[in-house]
Amino acid sequence: QAQLVESGGGVVQPGRSLRLSCVASGLTLSNYDMHWVRQAPGKGLEWVAGISDNGRNNYYADSVKGRFTLSRDNSKNSLFLQLNSLRPEDSATYYCAKDESTSATFGPAFDLWGQGTFVTVSS
Amino acid sequence: SGELTQPPSVSVSPGQTASIFCSGDKLGDKFASWYQQRPGQSPVLVIFQDTKRPSGVPDRFSASNSGNTATLTISGAQAMDEADYYCQAWDNTVVIFGGGTKLTVL
Repeated sequence: QAQLVESGGGVVQPGRSLRLSCVASGLTLSNYDMHWVRQAPGKGLEWVAGISDNGRNNYYADSVKGRFTLSRDNSKNSLFLQLNSLRPEDSATYYCAKDESTSATFGPAFDLWGQGTFVTVSS
Repeated sequence: SGELTQPPSVSVSPGQTASIFCSGDKLGDKFASWYQQRPGQSPVLVIFQDTKRPSGVPDRFSASNSGNTATLTISGAQAMDEADYYCQAWDNTVVIFGGGTKLTVL
């Protein structure tokens, strides 16, 4: 059964950094574009970033552009999100999510989500 | 990038039909997806490419997308359908989510 497992969350002070990881099992990650979506407590879903299947193309929300970096290691079936210059408003559960399609024709839809890892940015 | 607007809440009686609307500029020109999120759980894809249901999603879930509005319809709503629902689209290299709609079945 396909599964995504995130890790790396925790409590961090404003301005500091954190690295989130997402490991896939039961599927070959290199076949799919992958994304991170976050959700602040009691709030809605917010897309953070996406990366193409081969890692050549990255996309970021304006709110994180220049501070977050998305990468992947297909040989390890893994996805990484480097969070720099963290702000209190970055506090959220961060979900790793898989694009359901191997084609870019329709735009992403996320058919597999991890359980999330929680990031708290506070002094 | 654009925005997607959803009503904060919708109520439906068990067995009746619920419709949740998602509006955005020329949304019908994009492909819309819908997610269900129960409390304390990760989101689940219930509709993609405007009208398609992933395997395992009950056929009481259906959707359409035209003009500026995408619509998720739940026919014969059940207590287990009570959840938050989010629409989502892809707009010029950016993924956008609607603000979410809390569906209450009572």
